[in-house]
Amino acid sequence: DQQVKQNSPSLSVQEGRISILNCDYTNSMFDYFLWYKKYPAEGPTFLISISSIKDKNEDGRFTVFLNKSAKHLSLHIVPSQPGDSAVYFCAASVWEGGSEKLVFGKGTKLTVNP
Amino acid sequence: DGGITQSPKYLFRKEGQNVTLSCEQNLNHDAMYWYRQDPGQGLRLIYYSQIVNDFQKGDIAEGYSVSREKKESFPLTVTSAQKNPTAFYLCASSWQGSTEAFFGQGTRLTVV
Repeated sequence: DQQVKQNSPSLSVQEGRISILNCDYTNSMFDYFLWYKKYPAEGPTFLISISSIKDKNEDGRFTVFLNKSAKHLSLHIVPSQPGDSAVYFCAASVWEGGSEKLVFGKGTKLTVNP
Repeated sequence: DGGITQSPKYLFRKEGQNVTLSCEQNLNHDAMYWYRQDPGQGLRLIYYSQIVNDFQKGDIAEGYSVSREKKESFPLTVTSAQKNPTAFYLCASSWQGSTEAFFGQGTRLTVV
């Protein structure tokens, strides 16, 4: 039972264009959502997050949108740069068993072509 | 420099042997986690620990063991009972109650 779903395993965009990465979730108890970026053979690095009480959070070229009624969030990268090429993981946080836990999606591999 | 250190980066072991992966952090984080990543899969939680001398099983704990004798250290032992041990292992840590986890560089374990 996958609680966090990234249905697109890969995405390819041209440099300068917008990249939109999508994420769906099933657990309405999630209270925080995060995006991580991962390069091959490295650990994920935190990119941007959003609380469940907000619908948008912006940080430079990165914007995360949350649609709670649809249980959907998306990460927008504008403009996309070749250095953005990486795997992007969506994660959701839930309080369970007395501690905060992160649940990850399977990731979307973004390729930005020059 | 503060951070999380996993060692070694690459590890090879023969089938049937136990192997221990190291994870050390100097961020003064209370919570530490171990994840496993397989091709086409998300990060799956193996074990986590919120405080010293206490830890809980994650979603795929079978065949693994951990200890948390010091706040800075959370070693993971992959035992011979783990049926598919070859994977990329990631250690993470966070402050108590924080939703943001900081990850190490990972250890690629190959069992031959």
